[in-house]
Amino acid sequence: QVQLAQSGAEVKKPGASVKVSCKVSGYTLTELSMHWVRQAPGKGLEWMGGFDPEEGEIIYAQKFQGRVTMTEDTSTDTAYMELSSLRSDDTAVYYCTTPVTRTVAFDIWGQGTMVTVSS
Amino acid sequence: AIQMTQSPSSLSASVGDRVTITCRASQGIRNELGWYQQKPGKAPKLLIYGASGLQSGVPSRFSGSGSGTDFTLTISSLQPEDFATYFCLQDYNYPRTFGQGTRVEIK
Repeated sequence: QVQLAQSGAEVKKPGASVKVSCKVSGYTLTELSMHWVRQAPGKGLEWMGGFDPEEGEIIYAQKFQGRVTMTEDTSTDTAYMELSSLRSDDTAVYYCTTPVTRTVAFDIWGQGTMVTVSS
Repeated sequence: AIQMTQSPSSLSASVGDRVTITCRASQGIRNELGWYQQKPGKAPKLLIYGASGLQSGVPSRFSGSGSGTDFTLTISSLQPEDFATYFCLQDYNYPRTFGQGTRVEIK
C-alpha cells in the first residue's frame, strides 16, 4: 500500500525559503499525481498546487505563483515543495497528498510538516 | 475560483444524534466533491468521494448526497470517534478549493 513520509519540522526566518520533501513508498512517483495542501494553526485547509495528469503539468494556486516550486525526483520517488520569501503567515502544517484508489479525491496523505516562520 | 461555502462552522451534538453538514459551490461542479474528516494533529481522511461514494473502510453511518451546487454529509448516528472537523473539497477544476470546515463537538 502506498505511504507518504514527509520531512521534519522546520523553523525559518522571514524572507528565507523552505523545502519540504515527501517520499513515496508502495508505488512509484510517476504513477501518482502529487498535490500540496497547507493548514495554518487553527485554520482550514488550503490547496497550494499539484500535478494535473490531463495537462501533464503542475498547476499552482494563483496565491502562491512565483513563490512556490513543486518538483519530483523519480530516481528516489520523492516529491518536493519549496516556498520562498517566507512570511509569518506561511507558518502552517504542509501536507503532500495524492489520489491512489480514486481518480481525483485525495485518499492518501503524508503526516504533515510543520513550518514555523519567526524572526 | 469556485467558492465552497460550508455550514455550519461548528455544531454540538450527542452520541447517537443524526448530524448534517452542507456545502454549497459557487457554480455547478457536477458530483465532483469529496468530504474529509480531520482530527487534531492528524492529516485529513477521505470519507466520501464523488459526492456519494463511501471510501473503503469508512463506516456506513457516513453518507453523502448532492449534485450541481448543493451537497450534504450525513452521519446517521454520531459515535464518540466522530467528534472531529469535517471539510468538503471540490475536485471539479483548478484551483481545488475547500470549504471552511465544520467542527463537530460533544454536547
